[in-house]
Amino acid sequence: KNQVEQSPQSLIILEGKNCTLQCNYTVSPFSNLRWYKQDTGRGPVSLTIMTFSENTKSNGRYTATLDADTKQSSLHITASQLSDSASYICVVTDRGSTLGRLYFGRGTQLTVWP
Amino acid sequence: EADIYQTPRYLVIGTGKKITLECSQTMGHDKMYWYQQDPGMELHLIHYSYGVNSTEKGDLSSESTVSRIRTEHFPLTLESARPSHTSQYLCASSADTLGTEAFFGQGTRLTVV
Repeated sequence: KNQVEQSPQSLIILEGKNCTLQCNYTVSPFSNLRWYKQDTGRGPVSLTIMTFSENTKSNGRYTATLDADTKQSSLHITASQLSDSASYICVVTDRGSTLGRLYFGRGTQLTVWP
Repeated sequence: EADIYQTPRYLVIGTGKKITLECSQTMGHDKMYWYQQDPGMELHLIHYSYGVNSTEKGDLSSESTVSRIRTEHFPLTLESARPSHTSQYLCASSADTLGTEAFFGQGTRLTVV
């Protein structure tokens, strides 16, 4: 069964600190992995996309890593800001269907305190 | 900012009423999706469409129905709302190329009382 598991479920950090969010998946055949940020009451917005051949990709203070062999990804946030408070969702796309089915994790709820 | 719009943003409605959630995108995307999301839970696919006159049910069983008469428009209808339909409904679209980003609307928070 194709699944996406994220940890931790929730995380509280102080402003300015770094944090790392984890994503493990069993989706196969694998196409790509995206990290989305979802603010409360809003739709998810893509932060990064990782394909099979990519190990690391950065987008400002966000750095995503991918180990396709162990099927693990991480999202590292540096120098956190209050506006980083949101749910971070790992989404894996398969390439075994025309649709390119998206598989969603439950997300990590990040809270940044001043 | 993605050009995909959902209306209404919030809806409180009585049991038994018929409702339609609107979703429109101006990006010319062929693929469109409806997801249902409860608080703190993952998104569940309830409907999707490859293009005009194409609609399919998703992974999560839903009593709602959809239509795709125009490329840019993908409305979702509940014929008779019930409290169990209370949830957030997210619409998304993507280009017809594997791996392209899915763009999400702001969502409709539905409460059935």
